[in-house]
Amino acid sequence: DAGVIQSPRHEVTEMGQEVTLRCKPISGHNSLFWYRQTMMRGLELLIYFNNNVPIDDSGMPEDRFSAKMPNASFSTLKIQPSEPRDSAVYFCASSLTSGGGRGAGELFFGEGSRLTVL
Amino acid sequence: GEDVEQSLFLSVREGDSSVINCTYTDSSSTYLYWYKQEPGAGLQLLTYIFSNMDMKQDQRLTVLLNKKDKHLSLRIADTQTGDSAIYFCAESIDYGQNFVFGPGTRLSVLP
Repeated sequence: DAGVIQSPRHEVTEMGQEVTLRCKPISGHNSLFWYRQTMMRGLELLIYFNNNVPIDDSGMPEDRFSAKMPNASFSTLKIQPSEPRDSAVYFCASSLTSGGGRGAGELFFGEGSRLTVL
Repeated sequence: GEDVEQSLFLSVREGDSSVINCTYTDSSSTYLYWYKQEPGAGLQLLTYIFSNMDMKQDQRLTVLLNKKDKHLSLRIADTQTGDSAIYFCAESIDYGQNFVFGPGTRLSVLP
């Protein structure tokens, strides 16, 4: 199993530009989470999906942030326009919320996308 | 709302035991987790415990749960330099959903 795959691993952009982060969850997982990690605020949940439907987006900072999950194997997190304070590591994670198989209930994280907005 | 608290830093000498502590507020938490994050990497699950258990041991790792005090601890025996990382405590009341993470404890292992 390839695990949760995120791209890009690193992105440097200028203020005002659009940023799109991508995530491929583990095949068969039915929940997907986007987190943001900074030194100041730690790990913050931005949004999570269950069966491709957004369940809780209360952590999305503002309208500049949007997330989509068009199918079970792909999700995007978009920031438009980006600002320097958006600089952080963005993690995607997935889990299986049913069944009792190995790993069920566990949250699996990708390697993260490190975003720097100049 | 739910809240998970941890001390932010811990330093130990190589070979000593490390104990990382965590407190949580939601008494309905059914799953409690310890995740490890190495530099430049994502979080990886180290171990977890169900709320109906008091203790779980897995090789060098021992997890203790005090439900009355809502206190969770992770003990690492014979701590090695490779154990240097950030350790996150997390709780979940729903199977595989609604995770609440603590701020993480940065463990430094000194030679």
